[in-house]
This record gives sequence, structure tokens and C-alpha cells, in this order.
Amino acid sequence: DVKVTQSSRYLVKRTGEKVFLECVQDMDHENMFWYRQDPGLGLRLIYFSYDVKMKEKGDIPEGYSVSREKKERFSLILESASTNQTSMYLCASHSRTINTIYFGEGSWLTVV
Amino acid sequence: AQSVTQLDSQVPVFEEAPVELRCNYSSSVSVYLFWYVQYPNQGLQLLLKYLSGSTLVKGINGFEAEFNKSQTSFHLRKPSVHISDTAEYFCAVILYGGYQKVTFGTGTKLQVIP
Repeated sequence: DVKVTQSSRYLVKRTGEKVFLECVQDMDHENMFWYRQDPGLGLRLIYFSYDVKMKEKGDIPEGYSVSREKKERFSLILESASTNQTSMYLCASHSRTINTIYFGEGSWLTVV
Repeated sequence: AQSVTQLDSQVPVFEEAPVELRCNYSSSVSVYLFWYVQYPNQGLQLLLKYLSGSTLVKGINGFEAEFNKSQTSFHLRKPSVHISDTAEYFCAVILYGGYQKVTFGTGTKLQVIP
């Protein structure tokens, strides 16, 4: 079974703090994604990566950055957290071969 | 660029009644289509997907969806819902080729009433 693991389920951070959200997948997938989920807005793509060290902006990249130094790991970074970044963050990985997207359990981030 | 529209934000339905959740997409090229389900406080789980071939796709938990290219739709159906189907359902699209960016709809909350 494919496993996408997000390191933290629940985080509380202060405004201005730097926040790292880690995601690891164990199936050698090429593509990885970070979404944020807010009520009524569905899943909005923040960034995605189609290979090691490669990244593309999604629909809402402002205030975020990403890192993909190894194929299995895709990190989301909030350089200076703000209250409007309080949300549920979902990581996903995708195999071009079998064309299925697998999700982690999500990380609930509260910025106070 | 592709987009996905789920017009119904909430769908209440009585237990054992049929249900249809609507999904329309727009794209200038061919696409792959997916339906995902999210139970409270969990990640998303694949229900079914359309890649090619037969336009009627069967998934888990008795759900099915039909790809209609002329209407650019991929509606999800179940002939008889159960209380356990109460969840949020998301439609998603991936373009053929390229970097395969995945775009999701805004979701439909299915509430099954006993």
C-alpha cells in the first residue's frame, strides 16, 4: 500500500514564526503536491514538484515556499506565519504510470 | 488551464435513496478524471477514476461515474446511499502529458438523512 506521511497532524504557531511541514512518500512517485483546504474553497494548490529540485507554483503560492532535495520528501515552508495561513494542509503524491493521487492524513495548522 | 466545477456545495438525501453529485470540467486538451471522498478529520481517498476506455466507471462502496466528453461532465452516482456515505466528495482533473498538475473542485458535502 502506498503511504504518504505528514510529520505533524496538529500544530500551533505564533505569528511571524517559521513553519516547516514535512511530507514523505514511499512509492517513488515523481509528482508531489501541497494543498490547503478551507471550508467552501475546496483544495487549492500551493506548489507542486515533478522531480527532485524542481518546483512549480500552484494557484496560491504567496507566503509559501517548498523544498524537494530527495524524491521521497517534499517540504512546505511558511517563512513568516500569519493568521490567514491557519488551515488544513494536505500533501499528495502522484504516479504518472498508474495515474492515481495519494493523500496524507493532513496537517492542521493554527497560527495565533 | 483546466478548471473543475462542483455546483452543489451540499446535497441532503434520505437513506436508501439514489444520489447524483455533479462535476463539470473545462479543458482544451484531454483529461484524466477522478472522484475522491473525505471523511471527517481524514485525508482524501480515491473512489474511482477515468483514464480511457469505457465511459462508465465503477468504484468502491457502490459508486459509479460516467464520463461525458460532449458535456464535459463526470457525474458521480449511487443507486442507494447509506448513512456511512455521509462525507465530502471532490472531483479532480489532470491534463494529459505535461507536468500533470492536479486541479480539484470545491467539494460537495453529502448528508445522508436516516
